[in-house]
Amino acid sequence: RKEVEQDPGPFNVPEGATVAFNCTYSNSASQSFFWYRQDCRKEPKLLMSVYSSGNEDGRFTAQLNRASQYISLLIRDSKLSDSATYLCVVNMNPPSGTYKYIFGTGTRLKVLA
Amino acid sequence: DTEVTQTPKHLVMGMTNKKSLKCEQHMGHRAMYWYKQKAKKPPELMFVYSYEKLSINESVPSRFSPECPNSSLLNLHLHALQPEDSALYLCASSQPGRFRAESGANVLTFGAGSRLTVL
Repeated sequence: RKEVEQDPGPFNVPEGATVAFNCTYSNSASQSFFWYRQDCRKEPKLLMSVYSSGNEDGRFTAQLNRASQYISLLIRDSKLSDSATYLCVVNMNPPSGTYKYIFGTGTRLKVLA
Repeated sequence: DTEVTQTPKHLVMGMTNKKSLKCEQHMGHRAMYWYKQKAKKPPELMFVYSYEKLSINESVPSRFSPECPNSSLLNLHLHALQPEDSALYLCASSQPGRFRAESGANVLTFGAGSRLTVL
């Protein structure tokens, strides 16, 4: 089983739609959680950190469920510019003691006019 | 402003060449990372340096040799690579340790990457 799993998509949605992505992680000792966005042939960029109590940033809402070991991202009122790959990232503390960031497979989103 | 800078942006090399990728961060971070990313795949961790010491090597072949000369610089030395090593190589940095998400201290910041082609 992969450490961080996502539905690869693609998700094709019309402009204005609401779309939700889920991500599951296998290591219960995972500490921090993030959503990154990656455009074609560019580096990943932080979309938002995921707070324990959930958090919202404009049209984006992130939730964390530690008991079930999953993270979600909700995008409301989708824009054409939201088309990208969304990467779930988990920061875990392995036995070596050094934190490492593990990426999910990524979910491709295409917003259609 | 670009806070993590990678050079070169593009590199083409033969299988017998020796080359290096360079990364510099101006964020005061004490952890630096090399990731490898193939097309349509997520970034895959290669190495982690924490406080200038190599702390994680994800079983990377020895033809890749990392070096951390100081807290803001990270190099990846390449020698005798194979065509399947062609990929985007991403450098990143963060603060090591455990932080509350709300602090923003443990966010991983990437450079723009070095696109490597091995002929």
